[in-house]
Order: sequence, then C-alpha cells, then structure tokens
Amino acid sequence: NAGVTQTPKFQVLKTGQSMTLQCAQDMNHEYMSWYRQDPGMGLRLIHYSVGAGITDQGEVPNGYNVSRSTTEDFPLRLLSAAPSQTSVYFCASSRDRLALSNQPQHFGDGTRLSIL
Amino acid sequence: GENVEQHPSTLSVQEGDSAVIKCTYSDSASNYFPWYKQELGKRPQLIIDIRSNVGEKKDQRIAVTLNKTAKHFSLHITETQPEDSAVYFCAASRDTGRRALTFGSGTRLQVQP
Repeated sequence: NAGVTQTPKFQVLKTGQSMTLQCAQDMNHEYMSWYRQDPGMGLRLIHYSVGAGITDQGEVPNGYNVSRSTTEDFPLRLLSAAPSQTSVYFCASSRDRLALSNQPQHFGDGTRLSIL
Repeated sequence: GENVEQHPSTLSVQEGDSAVIKCTYSDSASNYFPWYKQELGKRPQLIIDIRSNVGEKKDQRIAVTLNKTAKHFSLHITETQPEDSAVYFCAASRDTGRRALTFGSGTRLQVQP
C-alpha cells in the first residue's frame, strides 16, 4: 500500500513551458486535492475533486487545470509556467465524501517546482 | 470563505517544557480541526484532530482543545523533546460544500536540548 504517490519529486521549467504533475492514490479515496506551499504562507488549495469526473476550484486556481478521469489519479497541469508558480506542490486524499464527518487527509511527498 | 490565523509564527522552548500553539477560525460552520507536523523537506503528517462535538482530545504528550464559542483551538505539547522540532500547521474544514482544509500559516517549534 503506497498511499499517495507524486511524480516528479523535482522539476525545473522555463517560463512559458507546460507540464503535468502526477498524483495517484491506492486507498480508494474519493476526495483528492492539490495544495501549494510557499514560505510563511502555509498550504493553499489549488483544486479539489470529490470523485471521478468532478472537480472544482480552490483558493488559488489561476494558471492550473485538473481532471479526474479515475478514482486513483488526479493530475495537475500548469498551462504556461510563470516564476510565481515556483513552489512545493502537495497532493492529498481522504476516504469518503459521503462520510458523516470529515476524514483525515493523507499527503504525498510533494513536488518541488522551480520556474526560471 | 474560511480564514485561519495561527500564532506564534516561531516558538523556542527548552527540552521538557510545554509548548502551546493557538489558532482562530472565522467560519462558524467549520467542524473539523486537524493539526499537522511537517519536518524539513517532508510531507505534512497528521498528529491529532478534533471535531466540533468534542472540547478536548489527548494522545500521549499531545492535546488539542477547542472553544467553539470563541472560534479558537490550541495544540498543547507537554514534556517536549528535540524530535518535536518541526513546523506545525493547524487547519479547519466543514463537512458540507467544499470540505477542503484551510491552513494556518504555520509555527516553527524549536526545542532546545
């Protein structure tokens, strides 16, 4: 049981390039989300999904797209990378959106992204 | 939307002392409050959580208290050890709508041996 797996761990891009950050979980979790972490600012929600085929925007969605074609995968796409998107990106998942109460979120190891 | 404020931003204690980190939230509908510990270069890891129907929860040297009326919750670490040194984040969420976590800005705890 690998939990939440993110790839790549590190990436350097040039301004204007596009790329996809991968996130996969093997816990059959319905709820998945992407956060970015910048120094002194905690983690901020980019996009989230409550199940396959359903996605929605978080606090800071501009410049990012997501899709959720399967329960296991939730990729994050940077459309045209900008230096302001230099950050550490974390994917997280939790068990069941139909649960009576929120469930703890499990985080991946993160992707450290630098935009030159 | 929800706004979570966390204090202090840095905290230095002597080994064996207690540490307290405080958070306030703005959305009265929030009902789930987890705390995460993040070591340098690692993922955030859940250390304890509390739901709004409970006022206090303990797990060995860690405890969390919640005051719904004042909309604040606190993390208490007793008998601190050097391995407690890390950044701690509080968060809040509701079980309707977005159900996403809103995080505080973090507290860097340094335990001096």
